[in-house]
Amino acid sequence: QVQLHESGPGLVKPSGTLSLTCTVSGGSIGSYYWSWIRQPAGKGLEWIGRIYTSGSTIYNPSLKSRVTMSVDTSKNQFSLKLSSVTAADTAVYYCARDWFGEFSDYFDYWGQGTLVTVSS
Amino acid sequence: SFELTQDPAVSVALGQTVRITCQGDSLRSYFASWYQQRPGQAPILVIYDNNNRPSGIPDRFSGSSSGNTASLTITGAQAKDEADYYCSSWDNSGIHPVFGGGTKLTVL
Repeated sequence: QVQLHESGPGLVKPSGTLSLTCTVSGGSIGSYYWSWIRQPAGKGLEWIGRIYTSGSTIYNPSLKSRVTMSVDTSKNQFSLKLSSVTAADTAVYYCARDWFGEFSDYFDYWGQGTLVTVSS
Repeated sequence: SFELTQDPAVSVALGQTVRITCQGDSLRSYFASWYQQRPGQAPILVIYDNNNRPSGIPDRFSGSSSGNTASLTITGAQAKDEADYYCSSWDNSGIHPVFGGGTKLTVL
């Protein structure tokens, strides 16, 4: 059973950089797409971006200028960096395995989520 | 506003059948998926590619799609089905995935 676990600071200062890591266990990170998704308190889900194990990435156009994703296959981990954060970036951040195809895109395994608060 | 539109709230009597809908132009071209999210928990995939159930999802959950509307049907709703349900598909440009605003299901 694949399991994902997010880790990183729960508090980031405004204008700083949010950094999170997702560790995959119970299976290999290889040959899959992996995504980050966030959810502000009481609101809906927003896709942030995806990375393939080759390192190729696609980001949500609304966040593209501030997002960087990377992957470390030796550690079975992938990471998210979001720069120039504001209070609007306060949310629960999820990592998920992403089945991505020509007409389909869905997320079959999710981490438990980690709350990141942007505040001074 | 969301490119995928869902009713904010739906209710169903215990044991009855409920349909949750999701509307959007992209659904004419791309498959929909559905997620169940209980309070304080991560979303769970319940339907993918319009009408497929992942392993472990009860068969009382089913999905369909026609035109610009995708639907999630729960047949014989149980108390534990009370949750928020989100649909997802591609955005209208086919560039990236988007989610609907979510439907809060109450089981009476």
